[in-house]
Amino acid sequence: QVTLKESGPVVVRPTETLTLTCTVSGFSLSNARMIVGWIRQPPGKALEWLAHILSTDEKSYSTSLGTRLSISKDTSKGQVVLSMTNMAPLDTATYYCGRMGVRGTTHRYFDVWGRGTLVTVSS
Amino acid sequence: DIQMTQSPSTLSASVGDRVTITCRASQAIGSYLAWYQQKPGKAPELLIYRASSLEGGVPSRFSGSGSETEFTLTISSLQPDDFATYFCQQYKSHVLTFGGGTKVEIK
Repeated sequence: QVTLKESGPVVVRPTETLTLTCTVSGFSLSNARMIVGWIRQPPGKALEWLAHILSTDEKSYSTSLGTRLSISKDTSKGQVVLSMTNMAPLDTATYYCGRMGVRGTTHRYFDVWGRGTLVTVSS
Repeated sequence: DIQMTQSPSTLSASVGDRVTITCRASQAIGSYLAWYQQKPGKAPELLIYRASSLEGGVPSRFSGSGSETEFTLTISSLQPDDFATYFCQQYKSHVLTFGGGTKVEIK
């Protein structure tokens, strides 16, 4: 069974750096077709893709947030880590990780999602 | 970035109704479009990929159509479990983008 699980702080202070971990099971991050990405959703608002990483270590980032984001993976641990610098109250959202690429690396839609983790930015 | 515009933003319908949601892309994306359903407090779930391919386990009352810049998600006969928010997502570009969502409410 394929699962993804997000973990990280519940509350972050303004200007701090957020670090989130996505732990996957049921598939390997070394699988050539597997891609793991991050998406966020402010309360009551739409989904926003943030970044993703391929097994080759190729990375893509949101145009609007790219300078604040960093994504990496530890294949041996089955983990993908997202860092976002200079957090602000507008970054309050549920952060999801998801798997893509099950039908090939050009098929970048999320077939499996984690349950998400709510991150609140507040002093 | 490719902008995805969904309409309507909210839709009121009754059980048994045929429902259609539209998603428009700001530039041609071929068939690189997916649809998701999201219920309150839950993660989105994949319904449709490649514009019209039904994900495994998704009821056949859901269907997708369209190409390039205009796409539709149709629910042929709305069921109580279908009241939710629906999002489209393009994956033509390596910069992925979602539509703003369509909330399907009980009339």
